[in-house]
Amino acid sequence: NAGVTQTPKFQVLKTGQSMTLQCAQDMNHEYMSWYRQDPGMGLRLIHYSVGAGITDQGEVPNGYNVSRSTTEDFPLRLLSAAPSQTSVYFCASSINGGNTEAFFGQGTRLTVV
Amino acid sequence: AQKITQTQPGMFVQEKEAVTLDCTYDTSDPSYGLFWYKQPSSGEMIFLIYQGSYDQQNATEGRYSLNFQKARKSANLVISASQLGDSAMYFCAVDNNNDMRFGAGTRLTVKP
Repeated sequence: NAGVTQTPKFQVLKTGQSMTLQCAQDMNHEYMSWYRQDPGMGLRLIHYSVGAGITDQGEVPNGYNVSRSTTEDFPLRLLSAAPSQTSVYFCASSINGGNTEAFFGQGTRLTVV
Repeated sequence: AQKITQTQPGMFVQEKEAVTLDCTYDTSDPSYGLFWYKQPSSGEMIFLIYQGSYDQQNATEGRYSLNFQKARKSANLVISASQLGDSAMYFCAVDNNNDMRFGAGTRLTVKP
């Protein structure tokens, strides 16, 4: 079982560039979310979606866009990368959100120079 | 917004002994979910245990149990019979209406 698949695993961007982090799940989960993890900190919620066509902001949404056109995919777009967005990004999915186990992708290590 | 506090940046435990990792949280919502995740050095996030705020019994999953004290807003993780493979970062998290917040984590080291 693939579970939650994130691509790419590593990425280096120049300041001002844009890019999309891909996330796909094959478990038919309604809830998907994006987090960032900075050194010495826990994960912080960027955006989440409770189903196709529905997205909402988390704790740290600025500088990021998301869309959810299908149940399977939840891409995260960086509009104009900044060094402050250097982080490890995790995508997660769960059956229906807050009272169920979240399955995480392997993470994307992003460096903005 | 809720705040999650893990006061132990690092903990050491002897193999085969039990260890308690502390977590307190600050939420005004009566309905929430409590989670613990493990992050080994390889980086993946592994679900350990869940407790709902209305659950009467403390949650248990194998060697993991959650000491839930609702009035104190405390959800400590107890790991029994520690193994070398338990060495990792451990994160407490609270979900309020799909808004999940994590603590800063505790690094647990199991000594042989």
